[in-house]
Parts: sequence; structure tokens; C-alpha cells
Amino acid sequence: KAGVTQTPRYLIKTRGQQVTLSCSPISGHRSVSWYQQTPGQGLQFLFEYFSETQRNKGNFPGRFSGRQFSNSRSEMNVSTLELGDSALYLCASSLVQGANEQFFGPGTRLTVL
Amino acid sequence: AQSVTQLGSHVSVSEGALVLLRCNYSSSVPPYLFWYVQYPNQGLQLLLKYTTGATLVKGINGFEAEFKKSETSFHLTKPSAHMSDAAEYFCAVSDRGAAGNKLTFGGGTRVLVKP
Repeated sequence: KAGVTQTPRYLIKTRGQQVTLSCSPISGHRSVSWYQQTPGQGLQFLFEYFSETQRNKGNFPGRFSGRQFSNSRSEMNVSTLELGDSALYLCASSLVQGANEQFFGPGTRLTVL
Repeated sequence: AQSVTQLGSHVSVSEGALVLLRCNYSSSVPPYLFWYVQYPNQGLQLLLKYTTGATLVKGINGFEAEFKKSETSFHLTKPSAHMSDAAEYFCAVSDRGAAGNKLTFGGGTRVLVKP
């Protein structure tokens, strides 16, 4: 089975722009979660989608949004980029919700200049 | 709010020596507990998890962890370090009964293995 894939792997944007990151979960997985990883704040939960519905949301401003499609693929969008949004964005998929193993993708490295 | 504390942001061990990484959680109700490893420029890989049952959990690559409710701890150990164990390790928890998979992570411990 193919693992979790994230595209693009690297991205450079300037302040004020917006960006969309994509995540394809493992085939059959219906839950997709997003995390932001920075040296200063560590790993922080952004949001989780299950069956196209946002089930959980972390403490991030409204500039961060996401969605999930019927094939379980997910996208996250960040509008009006700030320098502090530079981070590794990780996507994780899981078969269902609960105490199941989450499989992480390699991440998208976003640099905001 | 749930919090996870990993004691020591950096640990240096000699090859063949014991690896001990400490993790403590804050909730009064024991959560689900996980250890993940991250190699440079990669995502996270699950080493092991504790949900219920036996408190000593064995994972991949020779790692194991013991859940101690009285100490609210879930420390990770490996009897003999290998050069390939050099990586960053994250302890994470998720709330029991919560409708979702939200993980709360500790700050991470970077392991350096000396030859």
C-alpha cells in the first residue's frame, strides 16, 4: 500500500500570499489530520477531517482552513501568509477515529519570505 | 488542557548504551499514549502505543515503554543504542473517549549516538 503523500514537498511564498497544501491518505483511510511543526512551538494540531466533516480544530487563526473530499483527500489553505507561518506541515491519516495509529506523510516545508 | 512534558531536549548516548527518554502527561484520566520517531526531512513514524492492557509495551526497532499511572509517565527505553537510532523522538497523547484523533505532542528529544 502506498503511504501518505503530500504535495508539494517544498514551497516558497511571500507575505500576504495564500497557499494550498494537499494530502492523499492511505487507501481506505477516512480520517486526515494536519499538524504544524516549528522549532519554537513544536508540533501543534491544526484540524482533523473525517468523512468530509471537520471533527476537531486546534487553536489557530481563521486564516488556516481545510477541507476533505469524498475520496478522503484533504487540502489545507493558509491565507494572508505571515513570516511565522513558515513551518513543516504534516498530514496524518488513520483508518477511523479513536486510538488508532496515525500514519504521517513526509510533510510540506513552507517558507514565507 | 492536556500537556506532555519530555525531560531533556537533547540526549547523547554511546553506541551500545541504554537509551532512556522521559515523558510525563498531565491529565488525571490516563490518555492513549504514543511514541513517534522523526528522522531528518521525514515525517513521524510510530514506535509504539499504549491503549489498554499490559503496561509494558514493545515497539519496533527494539524500543519499549512502560506506562506508570501513579507517576503519569510513559518513558521510552532501548537497552542498546545503535547509530541508526539518532533521530528526534516525540511522546504524544490523545484523550480517551474523545471524538477524534487529535494528538498532543511533547517538545521532542533529539538523540545523538556517539560511536
